[in-house]
Amino acid sequence: SQKIEQNSEALNIQEGKTATLTCNYTNYSPAYLQWYRQDPGRGPVFLLLIRENEKEKRKERLKVTFDTTLKQSLFHITASQPADSATYLCALDTNAGKSTFGDGTTLTVKP
Amino acid sequence: DGGITQSPKYLFRKEGQNVTLSCEQNLNHDAMYWYRQDPGQGLRLIYYSQIVNDFQKGDIAEGYSVSREKKESFPLTVTSAQKNPTAFYLCASSIAGVYTGGELFFGEGSRLTVL
Repeated sequence: SQKIEQNSEALNIQEGKTATLTCNYTNYSPAYLQWYRQDPGRGPVFLLLIRENEKEKRKERLKVTFDTTLKQSLFHITASQPADSATYLCALDTNAGKSTFGDGTTLTVKP
Repeated sequence: DGGITQSPKYLFRKEGQNVTLSCEQNLNHDAMYWYRQDPGQGLRLIYYSQIVNDFQKGDIAEGYSVSREKKESFPLTVTSAQKNPTAFYLCASSIAGVYTGGELFFGEGSRLTVL
């Protein structure tokens, strides 16, 4: 089965810096990969989706890369703000429609 | 506003009791899902449904049951056979369908505690 590892459970950075979160996977290659944001006690909210034939995707201050050779996705938040503090989940799919989620990385942006 | 509504938000249950969690969506999505989340962990798929009157087991279906009698509704029953039911339950839907995948829209979750 697919195994997903997200970098350290917690990431602390200073406001204004770039946060970089990692998602590594094993076994088969996903058709696409998604990133979600989850606030405490709330449901996840979709942020970005990147397909296997795409190297990079951007949305405002967010950037996602997808390296199928390394089996890795990087999620960047530039000019980070305290409001970006949350848990970020990556999810993989293999065209079977069932997404497998990582355990998440909790980001704290300090003012 | 379109979205997914889960109820109740908090639920307490005594051991041996069945409980049903409600999930309603007005997004006109075909596919619906139930996930379980334990503290510090990611989401694990319990059941999913592509169309009305059809549903499939996910990775951790034991001790759970679902129905899909209407497109907009996908209730989850946590039965007494579920040995460790205390968790955060999330319902989701997607426009792209179970077998084509895509962005998931989540409800706000139901937190079940077994006393």
